[in-house]
Amino acid sequence: GIQVEQSPPDLILQEGANSTLRCNFSDSVNNLQWFHQNPWGQLINLFYIPSGTKQNGRLSATTVATERYSLLYISSSQTTDSGVYFCAGDDYKLSFGAGTTVTVRA
Amino acid sequence: DSGVTQTPKHLITATGQRVTLRCSPRSGDLSVYWYQQSLDQGLQFLIHYYNGEERAKGNILERFSAQQFPDLHSELNLSSLELGDSALYFCASSTSGGPYEQYFGPGTRLTVT
Repeated sequence: GIQVEQSPPDLILQEGANSTLRCNFSDSVNNLQWFHQNPWGQLINLFYIPSGTKQNGRLSATTVATERYSLLYISSSQTTDSGVYFCAGDDYKLSFGAGTTVTVRA
Repeated sequence: DSGVTQTPKHLITATGQRVTLRCSPRSGDLSVYWYQQSLDQGLQFLIHYYNGEERAKGNILERFSAQQFPDLHSELNLSSLELGDSALYFCASSTSGGPYEQYFGPGTRLTVT
Protein backbone atom coordinates (compact mmCIF):
# COMPACT_ATOMS: atom_id res chain seq x y z
CA GLY A 1 0.00 0.00 0.00
CA ILE A 2 0.87 3.62 -0.16
CA GLN A 3 2.86 5.48 2.49
CA VAL A 4 1.23 8.42 4.23
CA GLU A 5 3.30 11.05 5.98
CA GLN A 6 1.71 13.63 8.27
CA SER A 7 3.28 16.77 9.66
CA PRO A 8 3.78 18.11 12.18
CA PRO A 9 3.53 15.17 14.59
CA ASP A 10 2.50 17.49 17.44
CA LEU A 11 0.94 20.92 17.55
CA ILE A 12 0.22 23.09 20.58
CA LEU A 13 -2.07 26.05 19.97
CA GLN A 14 -3.49 28.87 22.00
CA GLU A 15 -7.25 29.15 21.72
CA GLY A 16 -8.15 31.33 18.77
CA ALA A 17 -5.03 30.51 16.73
CA ASN A 18 -5.02 29.17 13.19
CA SER A 19 -3.05 26.15 11.99
CA THR A 20 -2.29 23.99 8.97
CA LEU A 21 -1.78 20.23 8.99
CA ARG A 22 -0.19 18.51 6.03
CA CYS A 23 -0.45 15.05 4.56
CA ASN A 24 1.84 13.67 1.83
CA PHE A 25 1.16 10.48 -0.11
CA SER A 26 3.74 8.25 -1.79
CA ASP A 27 1.43 7.56 -4.73
CA SER A 28 -1.79 8.86 -6.21
CA VAL A 29 -4.98 8.05 -4.32
CA ASN A 30 -8.61 7.77 -5.33
CA ASN A 31 -9.93 8.00 -1.78
CA LEU A 32 -8.70 10.63 0.67
CA GLN A 33 -10.26 11.36 4.02
CA TRP A 34 -9.47 13.45 7.08
CA PHE A 35 -10.53 12.29 10.52
CA HIS A 36 -10.50 13.64 14.05
CA GLN A 37 -10.01 11.10 16.81
CA ASN A 38 -11.46 12.47 20.01
CA PRO A 39 -10.23 11.62 23.52
CA TRP A 40 -12.78 8.79 23.71
CA GLY A 41 -11.22 7.13 20.66
CA GLN A 42 -13.98 7.84 18.18
CA LEU A 43 -12.95 8.54 14.59
CA ILE A 44 -15.01 11.43 13.30
CA ASN A 45 -15.22 12.04 9.55
CA LEU A 46 -14.10 15.56 8.70
CA PHE A 47 -13.69 15.53 4.95
CA TYR A 48 -13.82 13.19 2.01
CA ILE A 49 -11.62 15.09 -0.41
CA PRO A 50 -9.81 13.19 -3.22
CA SER A 51 -9.26 16.57 -4.90
CA GLY A 52 -10.21 20.23 -4.61
CA THR A 53 -11.21 22.31 -1.62
CA LYS A 54 -13.98 21.92 0.92
CA GLN A 55 -15.03 23.91 3.94
CA ASN A 56 -17.04 22.99 7.00
CA GLY A 57 -17.34 25.73 9.57
CA ARG A 58 -13.93 26.59 10.97
CA LEU A 59 -12.31 23.67 9.15
CA SER A 60 -11.32 23.49 5.53
CA ALA A 61 -9.26 21.11 3.44
CA THR A 62 -7.46 21.22 0.13
CA THR A 63 -6.10 18.28 -1.84
CA VAL A 64 -3.71 18.72 -4.76
CA ALA A 65 -3.95 15.26 -6.25
CA THR A 66 -1.32 15.83 -8.95
CA GLU A 67 1.24 16.68 -6.27
CA ARG A 68 0.03 14.02 -3.84
CA TYR A 69 -0.66 16.12 -0.78
CA SER A 70 -3.54 17.42 1.26
CA LEU A 71 -3.85 20.23 3.80
CA LEU A 72 -6.25 20.66 6.69
CA TYR A 73 -6.80 24.17 8.01
CA ILE A 74 -8.12 24.87 11.47
CA SER A 75 -9.13 28.48 12.07
CA SER A 76 -9.98 30.17 15.38
CA SER A 77 -9.12 26.96 17.25
CA GLN A 78 -11.13 25.92 20.30
CA THR A 79 -10.29 23.52 23.11
CA THR A 80 -12.74 21.03 21.62
CA ASP A 81 -10.48 20.80 18.56
CA SER A 82 -7.92 18.93 20.65
CA GLY A 83 -7.25 15.36 19.64
CA VAL A 84 -5.47 13.46 16.92
CA TYR A 85 -6.03 14.29 13.27
CA PHE A 86 -5.50 11.56 10.72
CA CYS A 87 -5.42 11.62 6.97
CA ALA A 88 -5.91 8.40 5.07
CA GLY A 89 -6.08 7.39 1.45
CA ASP A 90 -5.84 4.63 -1.12
CA ASP A 91 -8.46 2.86 -3.20
CA TYR A 92 -10.79 0.38 -1.51
CA LYS A 93 -8.91 0.48 1.79
CA LEU A 94 -7.49 3.33 3.80
CA SER A 95 -3.82 3.67 4.60
CA PHE A 96 -3.44 5.97 7.57
CA GLY A 97 -0.74 8.39 8.53
CA ALA A 98 0.67 8.45 12.04
CA GLY A 99 -1.49 11.44 12.90
CA THR A 100 -0.99 14.96 14.21
CA THR A 101 -1.73 15.42 17.91
CA VAL A 102 -3.30 18.83 18.44
CA THR A 103 -3.55 20.41 21.87
CA VAL A 104 -5.50 23.65 22.14
CA ARG A 105 -4.93 25.57 25.37
CA ALA A 106 -7.46 27.96 26.83
CA ASP B 1 -23.18 9.22 15.17
CA SER B 2 -21.87 7.59 11.99
CA GLY B 3 -24.64 4.98 11.82
CA VAL B 4 -22.14 2.13 12.15
CA THR B 5 -22.59 0.11 15.33
CA GLN B 6 -20.08 -2.16 17.03
CA THR B 7 -20.42 -4.46 19.99
CA PRO B 8 -19.12 -4.89 22.55
CA LYS B 9 -17.51 -1.54 23.40
CA HIS B 10 -14.99 -3.10 25.74
CA LEU B 11 -13.70 -6.62 26.05
CA ILE B 12 -11.23 -7.99 28.56
CA THR B 13 -10.03 -11.54 28.12
CA ALA B 14 -7.07 -13.79 28.81
CA THR B 15 -4.30 -15.01 26.56
CA GLY B 16 -5.22 -18.06 24.51
CA GLN B 17 -8.90 -17.21 24.43
CA ARG B 18 -11.16 -16.52 21.45
CA VAL B 19 -13.47 -13.52 21.00
CA THR B 20 -15.95 -12.29 18.41
CA LEU B 21 -16.45 -8.65 17.55
CA ARG B 22 -19.62 -7.60 15.80
CA CYS B 23 -20.35 -4.78 13.38
CA SER B 24 -23.52 -3.51 11.73
CA PRO B 25 -22.92 -1.18 8.77
CA ARG B 26 -24.92 1.94 7.95
CA SER B 27 -28.25 1.25 6.37
CA GLY B 28 -27.73 0.59 2.66
CA ASP B 29 -23.97 0.15 2.82
CA LEU B 30 -22.69 -3.05 1.22
CA SER B 31 -19.02 -2.79 2.16
CA VAL B 32 -17.56 -3.50 5.57
CA TYR B 33 -13.92 -2.91 6.52
CA TRP B 34 -12.06 -3.89 9.66
CA TYR B 35 -9.13 -1.89 11.05
CA GLN B 36 -6.88 -2.34 14.05
CA GLN B 37 -5.39 0.55 16.03
CA SER B 38 -2.50 -0.32 18.32
CA LEU B 39 0.09 1.86 19.99
CA ASP B 40 3.01 0.43 18.07
CA GLN B 41 1.42 -0.19 14.63
CA GLY B 42 -1.01 2.70 14.37
CA LEU B 43 -4.19 2.27 12.34
CA GLN B 44 -3.99 -0.68 9.96
CA PHE B 45 -6.42 -2.18 7.47
CA LEU B 46 -7.29 -5.81 8.19
CA ILE B 47 -9.93 -7.00 5.74
CA HIS B 48 -12.72 -5.85 3.41
CA TYR B 49 -16.03 -7.53 2.62
CA TYR B 50 -18.46 -6.48 -0.06
CA ASN B 51 -21.97 -7.89 -0.12
CA GLY B 52 -20.91 -11.06 1.65
CA GLU B 53 -17.71 -11.72 -0.25
CA GLU B 54 -14.15 -11.12 0.84
CA ARG B 55 -12.61 -8.43 -1.37
CA ALA B 56 -9.19 -7.75 0.09
CA LYS B 57 -6.92 -8.66 2.96
CA GLY B 58 -4.42 -6.45 4.66
CA ASN B 59 -2.21 -7.17 7.63
CA ILE B 60 -4.53 -9.72 9.15
CA LEU B 61 -3.04 -12.54 11.17
CA GLU B 62 -3.96 -16.15 10.40
CA ARG B 63 -5.43 -16.39 13.90
CA PHE B 64 -7.99 -13.79 12.85
CA SER B 65 -10.91 -14.39 10.53
CA ALA B 66 -13.98 -12.48 9.48
CA GLN B 67 -17.22 -12.91 7.62
CA GLN B 68 -20.11 -10.86 6.38
CA PHE B 69 -23.58 -12.33 6.72
CA PRO B 70 -26.61 -12.05 4.34
CA ASP B 71 -28.03 -9.22 6.47
CA LEU B 72 -24.68 -7.44 5.86
CA HIS B 73 -23.51 -7.41 9.46
CA SER B 74 -19.96 -8.61 9.95
CA GLU B 75 -18.04 -10.44 12.63
CA LEU B 76 -14.32 -10.46 13.32
CA ASN B 77 -13.09 -13.55 15.14
CA LEU B 78 -9.83 -13.41 17.04
CA SER B 79 -8.42 -16.65 18.40
CA SER B 80 -5.42 -17.82 20.43
CA LEU B 81 -5.19 -14.29 21.73
CA GLU B 82 -1.83 -12.81 22.67
CA LEU B 83 -0.97 -9.75 24.72
CA GLY B 84 -0.01 -7.95 21.50
CA ASP B 85 -3.56 -8.27 20.18
CA SER B 86 -4.71 -5.67 22.67
CA ALA B 87 -5.94 -2.82 20.51
CA LEU B 88 -8.89 -0.78 19.38
CA TYR B 89 -10.72 -2.56 16.56
CA PHE B 90 -12.77 -0.45 14.20
CA CYS B 91 -15.34 -1.40 11.67
CA ALA B 92 -16.15 0.95 8.80
CA SER B 93 -18.72 0.82 6.05
CA SER B 94 -19.21 2.43 2.68
CA THR B 95 -21.81 2.43 -0.03
CA SER B 96 -19.99 0.30 -2.52
CA GLY B 97 -16.76 -1.59 -3.03
CA GLY B 98 -14.80 1.19 -4.65
CA PRO B 99 -13.07 4.28 -3.31
CA TYR B 100 -16.02 5.79 -1.47
CA GLU B 101 -16.15 7.61 1.82
CA GLN B 102 -15.88 5.24 4.76
CA TYR B 103 -17.74 5.79 8.01
CA PHE B 104 -16.30 4.35 11.20
CA GLY B 105 -18.01 2.76 14.15
CA PRO B 106 -17.12 3.64 17.75
CA GLY B 107 -14.69 0.72 17.99
CA THR B 108 -14.22 -2.23 20.32
CA ARG B 109 -11.43 -1.88 22.84
CA LEU B 110 -9.87 -5.31 23.41
CA THR B 111 -7.59 -5.91 26.36
CA VAL B 112 -5.79 -9.24 26.57
CA THR B 113 -4.36 -10.01 30.01
